[in-house]
Amino acid sequence: AQSVTQPDIHITVSEGASLELRCNYSYGATPYLFWYVQSPGQGLQLLLKYFSGDTLVQGIKGFEAEFKRSQSSFNLRKPSVHWSDAAEYFCAVGAKGGGNKLTFGTGTQLKVEL
Amino acid sequence: DAGVIQSPRHEVTEMGQEVTLRCKPISGHDYLFWYRQTMMRGLELLIYFNNNVPIDDSGMPEDRFSAKMPNASFSTLKIQPSEPRDSAVYFCASLKGFSYNEQFFGPGTRLTVL
Repeated sequence: AQSVTQPDIHITVSEGASLELRCNYSYGATPYLFWYVQSPGQGLQLLLKYFSGDTLVQGIKGFEAEFKRSQSSFNLRKPSVHWSDAAEYFCAVGAKGGGNKLTFGTGTQLKVEL
Repeated sequence: DAGVIQSPRHEVTEMGQEVTLRCKPISGHDYLFWYRQTMMRGLELLIYFNNNVPIDDSGMPEDRFSAKMPNASFSTLKIQPSEPRDSAVYFCASLKGFSYNEQFFGPGTRLTVL
């Protein structure tokens, strides 16, 4: 079965600084990978996804993520963080033929200092 | 589009009572997912439906939990009898099509069992 690890529970960055959130997955083949964001009191929203092809994927709100097969990683990045980016971020993995079933990581809480 | 609608938004009940959570997916979406989010266990998939048919209920914690989808526009998650450890935020999400299209999440129901 597939699994996802997000090693950082909390991260604090200053507004305007760059951001990288880590995600490692476990899956025997090429996975489907996702990043979702959850603002306080709300449901999750898709930021970006990777299925195949170019390993650097662009998402909404200026986020990008890079798939690295050799490291089993799919880290999320943003060059300059805005205070409104404070939220919880979830990495998720799906298996081919998995019927849209996702396995989510435990999340990383991002705090942005002004 | 109103998005995924969940009701109630907050529910406080006493141990042993029956609890029913409701979800209206986005019109035209053919997949519906129920998730539970807690601090300890993160975001867990409980069950999901395709065209109103339950596909995978392996995440349902025990027989006290049941879910139904009588038609394409309505689903319920029932807990009977409820226990304090069921306290969590329950999310419903819907998706159109296959191949891991975006899941659209509702705002969640915060359940507190005293």
